[in-house]
Amino acid sequence: GAVVSQHPSWVICKSGTSVKIECRSLDFQATTMFWYRQFPKQSLMLMATSNEGSKATYEQGVEKDKFLINHASLTLSTLTVTSAHPEDSSFYICSARWSLANSYNEQFFGPGTRLTVL
Amino acid sequence: AQSVSQHNHHVILSEAASLELGCNYSYGGTVNLFWYVQYPGQHLQLLLKYFSGDPLVKGIKGFEAEFIKSKFSFNLRKPSVQWSDTAEYFCAVNANFGNEKLTFGTGTRLTIIP
Repeated sequence: GAVVSQHPSWVICKSGTSVKIECRSLDFQATTMFWYRQFPKQSLMLMATSNEGSKATYEQGVEKDKFLINHASLTLSTLTVTSAHPEDSSFYICSARWSLANSYNEQFFGPGTRLTVL
Repeated sequence: AQSVSQHNHHVILSEAASLELGCNYSYGGTVNLFWYVQYPGQHLQLLLKYFSGDPLVKGIKGFEAEFIKSKFSFNLRKPSVQWSDTAEYFCAVNANFGNEKLTFGTGTRLTIIP
């Protein structure tokens, strides 16, 4: 099946530092990847849609300068949380959409990255 | 824009009880519908999906869901739950074209008592 990995699985950082999270599709090519944020006991909120080779599309209310997204290849997207603050602490989840022409918009999810900002 | 409502926030059942979790969506066009499960400490996994055809969809682990277009609903069912079904369940929808994003419901926490 389609496997998506994330690295790191958890990270603790000091306030003001930047953190990079990687999302990889291991056995398929993903022209589109999505980044979500999940607060404790809440649903996933889409942050941005990342298309390979182009700029990410951010959802309303998401600061593009704070959450930098790069989708440089068909198997890798990165999310960089710049100048992280405690309120950025959350669970960040990526998903990848299979790029086949006859796919049905199914997304495959990574295991998530727990970010704790001290 | 689409939206998804899951009215049951926390459901507690005994083993062998039957389960039905509600999901209603709001969208004017054709949609794809999904149910995902998130076991404690694990990532989201797809339980089942509906794209077209038979509105009764069967998924993994004995789950099924029925798409009722007139009610904009996609309720999840299982005739007899097990303790291992304890998890968070999310209903999601996206438009049936292009790269349309997934919109998730707020989730239902299911606790099964042995």
